[in-house]
Amino acid sequence: GENVEQHPSTLSVQEGDSAVIKCTYSDSASNYFPWYKQELGKRPQLIIDIRSNVGEKKDQRIAVTLNKTAKHFSLHITETQPEDSAVYFCAAVSGGSYIPTFGRGTSLIVHP
Amino acid sequence: DGGITQSPKYLFRKEGQNVTLSCEQNLNHDAMYWYRQDPGQGLRLIYYSQIVNDFQKGDIAEGYSVSREKKESFPLTVTSAQKNPTAFYLCASSPVGERINSPLHFGNGTRLTVT
Repeated sequence: GENVEQHPSTLSVQEGDSAVIKCTYSDSASNYFPWYKQELGKRPQLIIDIRSNVGEKKDQRIAVTLNKTAKHFSLHITETQPEDSAVYFCAAVSGGSYIPTFGRGTSLIVHP
Repeated sequence: DGGITQSPKYLFRKEGQNVTLSCEQNLNHDAMYWYRQDPGQGLRLIYYSQIVNDFQKGDIAEGYSVSREKKESFPLTVTSAQKNPTAFYLCASSPVGERINSPLHFGNGTRLTVT
């Protein structure tokens, strides 16, 4: 089955800095890669996703890049703000399936 | 807002008792899921269901049971056979079929404490 590794487990940055979270996956048939943000005590919510026919996608301060050859994808947050502090999860979904495999999460702390 | 409702938010039980967590959705989604969240462990899949009256075991199904008698409802029972039941439980749903590879919509979770 699919295996998703996520790094780092904790990331601490100063407000205004950029943050990068990286994930690798094992199943070359995976073709959908969502990212979720979970604020303390709340539900995970989708913040951005990318499909395998696209190499990069941006939404304001958030971007995701995908390297299918290397089987890794990354979340980039620019100009971080304290409200970006949360746990971020990456996931991969194999082609023909609908069940995501999640990474273990990254706790992002943005210091004002 | 419409979506997925989990109840209760907090649940306390004595060891040896079965307990059922409720999950209801009004999104007309076919698929529903139960995840368990422990610190540093990410989201681990317990059970999932693609259609009424059918469900499949996930990665950590031992000690849990589910039912899917209605499209809108997917209750999870934590049985006394589950060795470490204290955790945060998340229910989710998603459309399938033509909209394969769609994101999950999560409920607000139930924090279960067993003493």
